[in-house]
Amino acid sequence: DTEVTQTPKHLVMGMTNKKSLKCEQHMGHRAMYWYKQKAKKPPELMFVYSYEKLSINESVPSRFSPECPNSSLLNLHLHALQPEDSALYLCASSHPGLAGGPSYETQYFGPGTRLLVL
Amino acid sequence: SQQGEEDPQALSIQEGENATMNCSYKTSINNLQWYRQNSGRGLVHLILIRSNEREKHSGRLRVTLDTSKKSSSLLITASRAADTASYFCATVLNTGGFKTIFGAGTRLFVKA
Repeated sequence: DTEVTQTPKHLVMGMTNKKSLKCEQHMGHRAMYWYKQKAKKPPELMFVYSYEKLSINESVPSRFSPECPNSSLLNLHLHALQPEDSALYLCASSHPGLAGGPSYETQYFGPGTRLLVL
Repeated sequence: SQQGEEDPQALSIQEGENATMNCSYKTSINNLQWYRQNSGRGLVHLILIRSNEREKHSGRLRVTLDTSKKSSSLLITASRAADTASYFCATVLNTGGFKTIFGAGTRLFVKA
């Protein structure tokens, strides 16, 4: 199985809502990533998990809360978002490097969740 | 600023023609990768070229890497309408964690 799945595909939420995005992979990857992508822009890294531990947080606002409950799952909890947070949220995973965890190697992306904050 | 910058920003060609996209980067790299993204979807990995390689082929794709100029190019030969997509180069910075930086991307439109 070389697929990364993401749910939901689309999400519309109000600024007071709490919602979660989910990502799953069964490739045995121990590095998982969240990216945010605005229209006509490249993906921007938000978080990196290595062996289920947060290794990179790119100064993301606390209204985004990542969670990695096990080696196959990655969640992104959303609370009190702003309209400017509307974007495509992409999850990715990669093989561990020689030292384990994230590496220079290829990332496998899910199809993304299209989020609209009203 | 972005590690990878690409040009052109947009490219429109006829089916059957070749498409060339360029990417420049600023720091030393372990490898450089190219990804494709169809409209509003996830990224698909196309090809990885390591810093000690100068050229790599995969089907109709040809990637070159010039580390002295800190630049790479992606050539798609005999393009098809299905090649219409955005193409991104990506490098990974190891700054205490492995951080992937994407170039601004080239939007390719192939007319049938």
